[in-house]
Amino acid sequence: NAGVTQTPKFRVLKTGQSMTLLCAQDMNHEYMYWYRQDPGMGLRLIHYSVGEGTTAKGEVPDGYNVSRLKKQNFLLGLESAAPSQTSVYFCASSSRTGWATEAFFGQGTRLTVV
Amino acid sequence: RKEVEQDPGPFNVPEGATVAFNCTYSNSASQSFFWYRQDCRKEPKLLMSVYSSGNEDGRFTAQLNRASQYISLLIRDSKLSDSATYLCVVNGNFYGGSQGNLIFGKGTKLSVKP
Repeated sequence: NAGVTQTPKFRVLKTGQSMTLLCAQDMNHEYMYWYRQDPGMGLRLIHYSVGEGTTAKGEVPDGYNVSRLKKQNFLLGLESAAPSQTSVYFCASSSRTGWATEAFFGQGTRLTVV
Repeated sequence: RKEVEQDPGPFNVPEGATVAFNCTYSNSASQSFFWYRQDCRKEPKLLMSVYSSGNEDGRFTAQLNRASQYISLLIRDSKLSDSATYLCVVNGNFYGGSQGNLIFGKGTKLSVKP
């Protein structure tokens, strides 16, 4: 049972390069989230999706784009990477946001932009 | 004001101690509340949901005060294995749209010493 899988797990980018982070879940969850985690800042919501074909902005969406073309996949894109986007990125999914609903996380992607 | 605020920590306690974490949230329409645990360089994992009437799971007790928009977590008889960062998580429409988001506090680090 894979749960939530993120690829890649590590990446080093040069400033201005682009990349896509892939999140895949096999639990048939409707909701998916992308967070970034920086020291002293906690987890901050970048974008989220409440279902296939829908996306919405979170707290820190600038510099990122997302797509949810298939229910099981949620892609996070960086069109022109900047050093400020050096962070650990976590994807999560949940069946709904309601009582006692658990969000499951991927193992994270450690991105360094030089 | 940050949407979800926690004690800054860190908390350094001896084995067997009782430790309490506090959290406040800004959105009075929030529907669901959780405590997550995050080990160093790992993904967050659900510790327990928080119910209006309060709930207990072994050595862990969670309380919710909707009027004060306050959540707490009590750990009794601390173990070395309890060392981790504890994250307060709240569901609510913090960033607009018609669906809820999962918003994390910055977390409080706990170190339990022999």
